[in-house]
Amino acid sequence: SAVISQKPSRDICQRGTSLTIQCQVDSQVTMMFWYRQQPGQSLTLIATANQGSEATYESGFVIDKFPISRPNLTFSTLTVSNMSPEDSSIYLCSVEQKETQYFGPGTRLLVL
Amino acid sequence: DAKTTQPNSMESNEEEPVHLPCNHSTISGTDYIHWYRQLPSQGPEYVIHGLTSNVNNRMASLAIAEDRKSSTLILHRATLRDAAVYYCILRYRGGSNYKLTFGKGTLLTVNP
Repeated sequence: SAVISQKPSRDICQRGTSLTIQCQVDSQVTMMFWYRQQPGQSLTLIATANQGSEATYESGFVIDKFPISRPNLTFSTLTVSNMSPEDSSIYLCSVEQKETQYFGPGTRLLVL
Repeated sequence: DAKTTQPNSMESNEEEPVHLPCNHSTISGTDYIHWYRQLPSQGPEYVIHGLTSNVNNRMASLAIAEDRKSSTLILHRATLRDAAVYYCILRYRGGSNYKLTFGKGTLLTVNP
């Protein structure tokens, strides 16, 4: 199974600023996913990021707010732009290998 | 989106079997049934998946109804470490990728 790390593990940010979250995988993968988990809620898919193509965003999420980079097969970043307190969530990346998704530990973001 | 229905919570005693039910009456022929669990302050962890036949692995067993409209995750001997939120998910084709749609899951409490 893939081993995934995320940086930072947590952060406290001021409204109006942006934060870039990094996701590193220990093996090459084609598909990477970014999820959001709001307090006390389940996971919601933000976008799918395949290497070499533009990320595909789910309904309710836009590139201007959540730009994603996927420069190679082991790395991706998600930026949360112009943050507001409503963006306070856990952000998780995941990868797919052999029909199974493996998740990182998440980045806990608090926006004041 | 493919949808599943699970009880909000269940309780078990340590070292006893646990049967976690899931209804997915709108499942299509190509949807895989996946189970993940999320321990407190961690990302989701893959448990097991199947298509039509019952499946066993070191963590659990998955029993799938003959009409595929329901399934049951079986933990043969619950331990305190099994206390988590368990998600029953249909892995479906969304656009050019396969996706997971997380529901609210079942919060499993294990009593010592």
